[in-house]
Formats: sequence, structure tokens, C-alpha cells
Amino acid sequence: NAGVTQTPKFRVLKTGQSMTLLCAQDMNHEYMYWYRQDPGMGLRLIHYSVGEGTTAKGEVPDGYNVSRLKKQNFLLGLESAAPSQTSVYFCASSSLGTGIYEQYFGPGTRLTVT
Amino acid sequence: QQQVKQSPQSLIVQKGGISIINCAYENTAFDYFPWYQQFPGKGPALLIAIRPDVSEKKEGRFTISFNKSAKQFSLHIMDSQPGDSATYFCAASSAGGTSYGKLTFGQGTILTVHP
Repeated sequence: NAGVTQTPKFRVLKTGQSMTLLCAQDMNHEYMYWYRQDPGMGLRLIHYSVGEGTTAKGEVPDGYNVSRLKKQNFLLGLESAAPSQTSVYFCASSSLGTGIYEQYFGPGTRLTVT
Repeated sequence: QQQVKQSPQSLIVQKGGISIINCAYENTAFDYFPWYQQFPGKGPALLIAIRPDVSEKKEGRFTISFNKSAKQFSLHIMDSQPGDSATYFCAASSAGGTSYGKLTFGQGTILTVHP
């Protein structure tokens, strides 16, 4: 099992550019989440999904969009990147079967917007 | 609005000492309180968790103490080791039907254990 994987690992964007971050999990988890981690702020929830084809806003959704076309994949999109979106992005997943509270995290994507 | 407040921001402990990290929450609907451990360049990983029906949970050298009336909980690391050096996050969640396992995290504590 690879667990939760994220691509890419690093990315540098110019202001106004767009990109998509891919999260994949091979644990057949129903729930998936996108967080951003900033120094002194902890992890903040951007968007989440409770199943294929469903998504919902988290604490800091502005400037981001998500899609979950397949159960194993959760995509995070930035349509017009801003310097304020410089951060480390983590994807996580959890299962109804083993307890929805334990989230399994990917290794993160470090994004810099100049 | 930070619903879970964590302190201290950083902590330096000597090998063999006790590390203590504290968290306070505001939302009385929270009923699950996990601690996550994160090593540099890695994603967070669940370390230990507690529900409010118990006041303490111990797993090896790691103990969570929970005070429901004060809305506070803490992580104690006994006999701290250099390998424990990491960032620790407390978090909270509620079991309500629409919570979907969403976690609210504290700000994080960078723990350094000197040999």
C-alpha cells in the first residue's frame, strides 16, 4: 500500500498562473481532505469530500476549487495563484469503517507563488 | 477564529525529561481529541487520541490528560528522546452527523530534545 500520495512535491508559480494538485489514496477511503499548513497557523481545512462526486467547503476555501471524479483521487485547483497561497498543502483521507476521525496524510506539496 | 489554541509554540527539553504541550478548545460539541506528530518533510501522523469520557489515556511514553470542565487537554511525553523531536499538533472534532471527521487543529509546537 502506498497510502496517500501527492503530486507534485514542489512547485513554483507566478502570480496569476493556474495549477492542479493531485491526491491519490489506495486505501478505499470514503472521506478525503485538503489542508494548507502555514507557520504558526497549524493546518487549516480548505475543502473536503465525503464521497465520489461530492465536495464541500472547509475553513479557508477562497481561491481554490476541488473535484472528486473517482473515489481514490481528490484534486485541488488554483485558478489564479496569489502570493498568499504560498504554503505547504496536505491531502488526507479517512474511512468510515475504521473510524472517520483517524486521518492519513500524504507527504505534502510545497507551493511558492512569486 | 482559532477554536483550538496550543502552547507553547516551541519547546526545548533535555533527553530523559518530560515534555508537556497544552491545548484549549472553545466548542463544547468537540468530543474527539487527537494528537498528531509531524517530522520535517513528512505529513502529520496520528500519535494518540482521547474521548471526553476518560480523563487520561496512556500509550507507552505518551499520555493525554483531559479536563472537560476547563476545556483543556495536554500531551505529556515521558523520558523524552532525541527521536521525539518533531512538530506536534493537537486537534479536535465532533461526532455530529455533518462533521464528516473534520479536524480543527491547534497552531503546533516544535519540540526539540537535546541529547
